Amino acid sequence: GAVVSQHPSWVICKSGTSVKIECRSLDFQATTMFWYRQFPKQSLMLMATSNEGSKATYEQGVEKDKFLINHASLTLSTLTVTSAHPEDSSFYICSASRGAGDGYTFGSGTRLTVV
Amino acid sequence: GESVGLHLPTLSVQEGDNSIINCAYSNSASDYFIWYKQESGKGPQFIIDIRSNMDKRQGQRVTVLLNKTVKHLSLQIAATQPGDSAVYFCAENKGGATNKLIFGTGTLLAVQP
Repeated sequence: GAVVSQHPSWVICKSGTSVKIECRSLDFQATTMFWYRQFPKQSLMLMATSNEGSKATYEQGVEKDKFLINHASLTLSTLTVTSAHPEDSSFYICSASRGAGDGYTFGSGTRLTVV
Repeated sequence: GESVGLHLPTLSVQEGDNSIINCAYSNSASDYFIWYKQESGKGPQFIIDIRSNMDKRQGQRVTVLLNKTVKHLSLQIAATQPGDSAVYFCAENKGGATNKLIFGTGTLLAVQP
């Protein structure tokens, strides 16, 4: 079955630093990757959609200069949280899809704590 | 970003009982729906899906019902087990070129032994 690997599973960083999260589709080519953020006891909130080789599409209210998304290949997308602050502490989850009409495979998530 | 709801309803059931988890979706143009199970600290796990040309689909111990008239989705779990305890989310594909999957509020299912 389709597998998505997300790394790291948890990270602690100092306020003002940047953190990169990787999302890899291991056994399929992901035309589209999605990035979600989830706060405790809340739902998954879609942050952005990225298609291989093109700029990501950000949801309303998500700062594109703060959450940099790169989807340079059909198997890898990265999310970089720049100049992280404590309010950026959250659970970040990626998802990959082969395309419209196909399913979605989720990564295991990354717990980011900014101190 | 898009999401629905800021609180987490809870459904408490006895082991062996049937559970019904409900979800209201927002977009009448959505044509694909998925139920996910999420355990603490983990990513969502696929349970069952249904397309808009169907109103019912069954899996192992689970059934999804879709009522497009009132934009309502439900997940039925038969003979609920302690291992079913988790948060359950419905998600809708809003169609179009972006293929976005938007999650509902979520329901915490607590199975009492």
